[in-house]
Amino acid sequence: DVQVAQSGAEVKEPGESLKISCKASGYTFTSFWIGWVRQMPGKGLEWMGIIHPGNSDIRYSPSSQGRVTISVDESITTAYLQLSSLKASDTAMYYCASLVGAVYTWGQGTRVTVSS
Amino acid sequence: EIVMTQSPATLSVSPGERATLSCRASQDINRNLAWYQQRPGQPPRLLIYRASTRATGIPARFSASDFGTDFTLTISSLQSEDFAIYYCQQHNNWPWTFGQGTRVEIK
Repeated sequence: DVQVAQSGAEVKEPGESLKISCKASGYTFTSFWIGWVRQMPGKGLEWMGIIHPGNSDIRYSPSSQGRVTISVDESITTAYLQLSSLKASDTAMYYCASLVGAVYTWGQGTRVTVSS
Repeated sequence: EIVMTQSPATLSVSPGERATLSCRASQDINRNLAWYQQRPGQPPRLLIYRASTRATGIPARFSASDFGTDFTLTISSLQSEDFAIYYCQQHNNWPWTFGQGTRVEIK
């Protein structure tokens, strides 16, 4: 079975950086896209970016350009989301999702709180 | 960017009744569309992929259809656990985009 498991909740102060992880299993990691979705409190879903581990093709949404970095470590089939210069408005739930064929598998989410 | 427009924003339905949710894409997305259910405090749950194929483990009361850029999700007989928010999402063109969601509430 395809599974995606995310790292735990984070509490950060404004200006700090953050790196959260997403461990994928049950499929050939290098063959399919994996990406990150943000959900701010009480709001809808928004794709931040995706990466294809096989050729390192990375795409960012227009609103994610600049402070967001997506990467992978193929050796441990793990994807990462880095956010720099955190702001209070980055407080959200962050989901990782893989797309195998046309089927999405989602992680459980990582809650990020940015507060002084 | 492809805009996904869902309607209605809120749907009030009695248990056992039928619910019909709509999603329209601003351009052709080649049936590269998924439907999700999201309950409070939970991640999105994939219901439908490729516009009309039920995901593994999804009950048969959930069905979906499409015509051009118009997509429909139907829940034939609403159960208590079906009251939630439903999103459509396209993955034909980057950036992949979601609709704003339809909240299905108890009437």
